[in-house]
Formats: sequence, C-alpha cells, structure tokens
Amino acid sequence: DTGVSQDPRHKITKRGQNVTFRCDPISEHNRLYWYRQTLGQGPEFLTYFQNEAQLEKSRLLSDRFSAERPKGSFSTLEIQRTEQGDSAMYLCASSLEAALTYGYTFGSGTRLTVV
Amino acid sequence: GQQVMQIPQYQHVQEGEDFTTYCNSSTTLSNIQWYKQRPGGHPVFLIQLVKSGEVKKQKRLTFQFGEAKKNSSLHITATQTTDVGTYFCAGQKTSYDKVIFGPGTSLSVIP
Repeated sequence: DTGVSQDPRHKITKRGQNVTFRCDPISEHNRLYWYRQTLGQGPEFLTYFQNEAQLEKSRLLSDRFSAERPKGSFSTLEIQRTEQGDSAMYLCASSLEAALTYGYTFGSGTRLTVV
Repeated sequence: GQQVMQIPQYQHVQEGEDFTTYCNSSTTLSNIQWYKQRPGGHPVFLIQLVKSGEVKKQKRLTFQFGEAKKNSSLHITATQTTDVGTYFCAGQKTSYDKVIFGPGTSLSVIP
C-alpha cells in the first residue's frame, strides 16, 4: 500500500461542465475526508465518511457538490455545473481511527482549474 | 463555528535563526495537530498534542499545547533550508470530530 492516491492530478474544465475526482485511501483506514485548498490558505473541510456512511457535510458546500464512498473503499467527489470559484486543490485524506493518534494521511490532491 | 487562527502568516529567517509560529482556537480543543506542507506538496502529519500544557520535541522542533487547550506553538531551533514550507496547526473539538485547519505560517529560510 503506497498511501492515499488521487486521480486525476490535474483537471482543466470549462465553466458549466461536471467533473468527478477519485480517491483511494489507505486500505485499512476506515475514515476518509475531502478538503479543498486554495492558494495561501489552509485545507477547508468539505465532507467525511466512516466506512460507507457520509457522516458530515460542510454547510459551505453547495448542492452542486456530492461525494460517495460505495462499499467503504474508494471515494468520488463530483462537482456539477462548475464555476470559476471552484478552482482549487481538492485533497483527500484518510485515517485509521476517529481519534487521530497518527493524524491524517493526505493524497497529492487534484488541482481543478475552471476556465 | 470553530475557528483556528495562526500568526504570523509569513516568516523569513536567515538559516540558523530560530522560528516560532502560534496557533489559537476560538474553542477549547480535544487535541491539536501540526502538519507541514512543502511547496507544491500536500500536508504531512508531524505530531498530535492531547494533554493540557503538553510539550513534545522532534529533533529541532518543539511543540507546545496551552494550559487552556486553546492555543499551541511550534518552535524550530536553528532553521535549515529543509525546514522551508507552510506549517499548519489543526484542531478537533472532540476526538471523534473532523479536523479544522488554521491558515498556516509560510516559512522561508535564506541560506
């Protein structure tokens, strides 16, 4: 297991198009998180899963964003009708347990550019 | 909602000088974590502090959790060019809650 994998690394899309990102967490980690990071800012929480259950979704997240984690393994984050303000780095992280003795392990992220 | 703040936003130091970043939470935290993000990279977990007044050291890095569990600091002794990056503190209200990140302190080290 080489860590958290995210695909694609980069995505350029036209405004109004839909995009989907994939995250493969560390296999034994039961928690998976999505964060968004813009230049010069810290990661901003979007949503998280424990196994296949989505436990929390940020109130800042519009209805255009949806995430799934079927079977509690990989996760997808979809953004519908993209806007220029959606341009950011989308980070996925996983953890072994809720009490973070070892912290989050982040993937390398998907950089989204909406033109 | 819960907010985590950090100062300074940027710090430029000469190699060999010390560096400190401070973190403050608007609410009492269950624990605080520190992450480092190299330019072009992703956040990497450094350490977690849980107990009030806790101090932990990793080589030249010293981490401290405040008595009220609302603030923390990271001190680097004798900075090196390998210390360059952005340091984020991140806190949880409970040990089962999501982690909220601060805005980070960007460290530049002049050789």
